[in-house]
Amino acid sequence: DPKIIQKPKYLVAVTGSEKILICEQYLGHNAMYWYRQSAKKPLEFMFSYSYQKLMDNQTASSRFQPQSSKKNHLDLQITALKPDDSATYFCASSQDLGVTGQLYFGEGSKLTVL
Amino acid sequence: GDSVTQTEGLVTLTEGLPVMLNCTYQTIYSNPFLFWYVHYLNESPRLLLKSSTDNKRTEHQGFHATLHKSSSSFHLQKSSAQLSDSALYYCAGLTSGGNYKPTFGKGTSLVVHP
Repeated sequence: DPKIIQKPKYLVAVTGSEKILICEQYLGHNAMYWYRQSAKKPLEFMFSYSYQKLMDNQTASSRFQPQSSKKNHLDLQITALKPDDSATYFCASSQDLGVTGQLYFGEGSKLTVL
Repeated sequence: GDSVTQTEGLVTLTEGLPVMLNCTYQTIYSNPFLFWYVHYLNESPRLLLKSSTDNKRTEHQGFHATLHKSSSSFHLQKSSAQLSDSALYYCAGLTSGGNYKPTFGKGTSLVVHP
């Protein structure tokens, strides 16, 4: 069974709309992350959280807002969607935020913005 | 700042030939941790190898890599490529500073053909 659940797996949105990507991890980890992979591009770090606190933000746009309502949840709200936002968004977690941490990834949410 | 540089783009190999994907890093840490992740199509990225101590080889699923601090490298190798090795490979390391962020290289797409 997947230990990191991302919902929805696929979604299509229109330009200008808003979507929320859901991520829940059942590994008991304290750190969670969002990564993005656009077509023909590598994994791109977006955010990291530790104990529900934002630790690092490498996303230039404020249209991307992570939300952590519980320790094992890290959702991603995206507003005013643009076609360039089309990508697969991966949620990941690690035991703690630190130099030895292995990342565990969810299956991704593939977003298409028309 | 800290960074990870790996063989970029596409590497095409004939089945049975050796695999070598390069990875070098820059970090202020005296004891860096490097990782190789593998990303098969339609799956989530997962850990393939994690570095051990300096000059010690780590192995998994036929792949191996050795952390060499003297050359800041963690190259991925396999003696004989298999068709099932076709995937996207990421070298990753952890950045310095107060906010640890797993940083991925740009990825190497390995295609093994008969």
